[in-house]
Amino acid sequence: GAVVSQHPSRVICKSGTSVKIECRSLDFQATTMFWYRQFPKQSLMLMATSNEGSKATYEQGVEKDKFLINHASLTLSTLTVTSAHPEDSSFYICSARVGAGGLSYEQYFGPGTRLTVT
Amino acid sequence: KQEVTQIPAALSVPEGENLVLNCSFTDSAIYNLQWFRQDPGKGLTSLLLIQSSQREQTSGRLNASLDKSSGRSTLYIAASQPGDSATYLCAVGNQAGTALIFGKGTTLSVSS
Repeated sequence: GAVVSQHPSRVICKSGTSVKIECRSLDFQATTMFWYRQFPKQSLMLMATSNEGSKATYEQGVEKDKFLINHASLTLSTLTVTSAHPEDSSFYICSARVGAGGLSYEQYFGPGTRLTVT
Repeated sequence: KQEVTQIPAALSVPEGENLVLNCSFTDSAIYNLQWFRQDPGKGLTSLLLIQSSQREQTSGRLNASLDKSSGRSTLYIAASQPGDSATYLCAVGNQAGTALIFGKGTTLSVSS
């Protein structure tokens, strides 16, 4: 099946610094990737939709200047949390869509990145 | 706005039991529905994907059904094992290629 990787798996950073999280589709090309955030004992909430070669579409309430998304190639999307604060501590998960041409549009998820801001 | 609800929030069963997890959604005009498994601190593992035109999908001991008109899906797990202990998430895709909308999950504990 399709494999999506994320790096790093865990990161601890100090308040005010920036952190970059990478999401890669390893064995397929993904024109669209999604970034979700999951707080403890909560559901996954969509943050933004990342389209290759264009600007990301952010969900209401998600600050685009704080959560910078770049989808420079068909296999890589990055999420940069700028000026991180403790309330940004969360589990960030990306997914990539195998799509177009009548396929199932099934989404494959990365293993997630645990961000802790101290 | 689509909302996905999962009941129960938590479930404990002895090994060997058959069990049913429930998922309901408010807008029946969905494109597909996926069931995932999430182990503590880990990412998601896709279990079953049901297209809106399908009524059920099966994989091993798992069977997922979909009743679009009533806005419900169930995940049936046969002969549960301790290794099935995890959180099970239901997610709905409203349109082809769009992001998924998740329920809060059902945390399953299977005791040996």
